[in-house]
Amino acid sequence: DAGVTQSPTHLIKTRGQQVTLRCSPKSGHDTVSWYQQALGQGPQFIFQYYEEEERQRGNFPDRFSGHQFPNYSSELNVNALLLGDSALYLCASSLVGSSYEQYFGPGTRLTVT
Amino acid sequence: QQPVQSPQAVILREGEDAVINCSSSKALYSVHWYRQKHGEAPVFLMILLKGGEQKGHEKISASFNEKKQQSSLYLTASQLSYSGTYFCGTHNDYKLSFGAGTTVTVRA
Repeated sequence: DAGVTQSPTHLIKTRGQQVTLRCSPKSGHDTVSWYQQALGQGPQFIFQYYEEEERQRGNFPDRFSGHQFPNYSSELNVNALLLGDSALYLCASSLVGSSYEQYFGPGTRLTVT
Repeated sequence: QQPVQSPQAVILREGEDAVINCSSSKALYSVHWYRQKHGEAPVFLMILLKGGEQKGHEKISASFNEKKQQSSLYLTASQLSYSGTYFCGTHNDYKLSFGAGTTVTVRA
């Protein structure tokens, strides 16, 4: 039973560029949430996708956008990258109605130079 | 709003006990606990859904005081494998808000 997978593992981008991160949820899960984790901090909620729609959003600018596909996989897009966007981006999947027990992927380490 | 965790860090010897506290200024309907080891993803430990509920995972247990808007995580007879950063999370309207974490170091 495959867990949550994310790609790529690491990424280095330049300020102003755009990036797309990908996530495949755990088998049987239908909900995907994205988090940003800065060094030494707890994960910060970016948004959650369910039934291909954004269901809830945290305090992140519109530069952060996402998408969920019919197979429940998801993408996180960040435009006009800033140095402060450097962080570990975590994807978590869950099953709606399961009290939101979330399974996290290994994350994508994004470095903006 | 993020829950507040204390202490920020704790160092234990194997076999010792520790308590991690999590509090919120907003009403709590559920509390989630996760552990993250260095360089790894957070791993789900337990959810407490009702006030007064207590749960356990290995020798790690937690309690939830709904009235005080607090939860505590108890590490009993700690093992080396308990080292990591523990996060509490509060759930509201599909959004899980995590505290800043408590780093636990267990030494032999």
